[in-house]
Amino acid sequence: GDSVTQMEGPVTLSEEAFLTINCTYTATGYPSLFWYVQYPGEGLQLLLKATKADDKGSNKGFEATYRKETTSFHLEKGSVQVSDSAVYFCALSDRDGANSKLTFGKGITLSVRP
Amino acid sequence: NAGVTQTPKFQVLKTGQSMTLQCAQDMNHEYMSWYRQDPGMGLRLIHYSVGAGITDQGEVPNGYNVSRSTTEDFPLRLLSAAPSQTSVYFCASSLNGAGTQYFGPGTRLLVL
Repeated sequence: GDSVTQMEGPVTLSEEAFLTINCTYTATGYPSLFWYVQYPGEGLQLLLKATKADDKGSNKGFEATYRKETTSFHLEKGSVQVSDSAVYFCALSDRDGANSKLTFGKGITLSVRP
Repeated sequence: NAGVTQTPKFQVLKTGQSMTLQCAQDMNHEYMSWYRQDPGMGLRLIHYSVGAGITDQGEVPNGYNVSRSTTEDFPLRLLSAAPSQTSVYFCASSLNGAGTQYFGPGTRLLVL
């Protein structure tokens, strides 16, 4: 079945540091890929997505590129802020129409120090 | 739009008690789903629905029931709570299963 693997956490960075969070996936067919973010005490919200190979999703300074050849969707940000402290989830959905489901990675906690 | 709403925010149950977690959305989404979030496990799908009157099981359905009588509401029922059901529960909705899902704020459940 489909699966998503994220790098182990937690991750602690200083403000303005460069961020990379690795995500790889296993899926049949051509899934859509997502990064969701969960701020403390809140539900998840979509950060960015990509629906086909070589697409780049971007939002709030974060970027991720859909790499079919390496089955990866790594999240990057050039300069993190304290307000980026949150849990980040990589996810995929198959394209089985109405019955598609999201499969999540385990999530990684990012803490950014002032 | 209120988006996806969930009640209650927090609940304590004793083993064997029953309860219903409420979920509602006002975006006219056909697809709704329930997840549980546990430390180190990410989010796991419990049940989902592709429209009113249609439900199906996800990855961890045991101990939970759902129904979908309207497009707006998708309640999750625990018939006999167990300590293993202590978790944070999230409801989500989307136009379809492949699209962006919108999450509620969550219900934190503690079963003693």
